[in-house]
Amino acid sequence: RKEVEQDPGPFNVPEGATVAFNCTYSNSASQSFFWYRQDCRKEPKLLMSVYSSGNEDGRFTAQLNRASQYISLLIRDSKLSDSATYLCVVNNYGGSQGNLIFGKGTKLSVKP
Amino acid sequence: NAGVTQTPKFQVLKTGQSMTLQCAQDMNHNSMYWYRQDPGMGLRLIYYSASEGTTDKGEVPNGYNVSRLNKREFSLRLESAAPSQTSVYFCASSEERGGPYNEQFFGPGTRLTVL
Repeated sequence: RKEVEQDPGPFNVPEGATVAFNCTYSNSASQSFFWYRQDCRKEPKLLMSVYSSGNEDGRFTAQLNRASQYISLLIRDSKLSDSATYLCVVNNYGGSQGNLIFGKGTKLSVKP
Repeated sequence: NAGVTQTPKFQVLKTGQSMTLQCAQDMNHNSMYWYRQDPGMGLRLIYYSASEGTTDKGEVPNGYNVSRLNKREFSLRLESAAPSQTSVYFCASSEERGGPYNEQFFGPGTRLTVL
């Protein structure tokens, strides 16, 4: 099983739609979780950290299910500017590795 | 603040040539990283430096060397470039390595082609 797995997409949605991305991770000792956003031919940037209780930032909601080793990102009222690749990222801090493990990303395309 | 800067932005090499990718950060971060990103493979860690004076191998270190020149600068060297090293290289930094809330900040990347 790969360490961090995501549906690669692409997800093609109309403006205003709600879209959800899922991610699973293999290391049950993982301590912290993130969603990064990467625009085409640009560097990744932190979108939001994922807290154990779940967290919301405007139109974006992140959820964590430790029992199922599952992370999700929900985007409401999609905008054209949300078109990007969304990277699920897990930090294995506390285990033998303290580095970030990146998923391959889910591509989102929001259409007018 | 410029954040994380990388030079060059683009480079074409012939097989067997050597080059050094430069990275600098102005955020006073302790930890720095080098990743490569290939289509369908995601970001993979090449080397990291948890703090000034230390470097460690990541997931894919073969064919690369690094130098943490000082707290600001972390360079990546390809001694004898191979076509398999064609990739986009990202440098990143964070306040500390690991830890639950340590965001990594990325540079704009270097697009390297090895012919």
